[in-house]
Amino acid sequence: QKEVEQDPGPLSVPEGAIVSLNCTYSNSAFQYFMWYRQYSRKGPELLMYTYSSGNKEDGRFTAQVDKSSKYISLFIRDSQPSDSATYLCAMSVVAAGNKLTFGGGTRVLVKP
Amino acid sequence: DAGITQSPRYKITETGRQVTLMCHQTWSHSYMFWYRQDLGHGLRLIYYSAAADITDKGEVPDGYVVSRSKTENFPLTLESATRSQTSVYFCASSDLGIAYEQYFGPGTRLTVT
Repeated sequence: QKEVEQDPGPLSVPEGAIVSLNCTYSNSAFQYFMWYRQYSRKGPELLMYTYSSGNKEDGRFTAQVDKSSKYISLFIRDSQPSDSATYLCAMSVVAAGNKLTFGGGTRVLVKP
Repeated sequence: DAGITQSPRYKITETGRQVTLMCHQTWSHSYMFWYRQDLGHGLRLIYYSAAADITDKGEVPDGYVVSRSKTENFPLTLESATRSQTSVYFCASSDLGIAYEQYFGPGTRLTVT
């Protein structure tokens, strides 16, 4: 079983809809929780990060962490075609020397 | 050019050949990483380096060799390429203490025939 699980999708939504993405994990030592966005044939780029539990909002994006359930979520409001990409969750233990453990990624397609 | 660059961007090689993928970053970040990305597996860490002359294995190190003689460069060598090493390879870097943000290069698409 992988340490971080993520549904590969694809997730297809109409423009303007809310996109809901999530990951589950097994390692309770994870402290940083990140979401990376990857456009086709490009490298991933950091979208948001959360330290420990709670919510974080940045514009149309909201990240949630529920450490008791070992579950993290990313919501994209008012989705745009430019949000079409693969979204990867990533996690790290502070003592692990900047190493990240990634989920497999969810492909999102926002249709105009 | 500022940032993190990888070369070559595309490479086709034959089974058994030695191949070296190059990675260069201009930020003087302490940490550098090599990942491979395959369908169904996401990003898997091959090797990483905390500083010049300090390297360590990741999740899938077999068949790969790394070195880091200078902070800005982190080459990855496939000593004897196999078809299972056909993949997209990403180099990344991050600053000491900034565990949550890694900056990725554009990737090298490697095909082993």
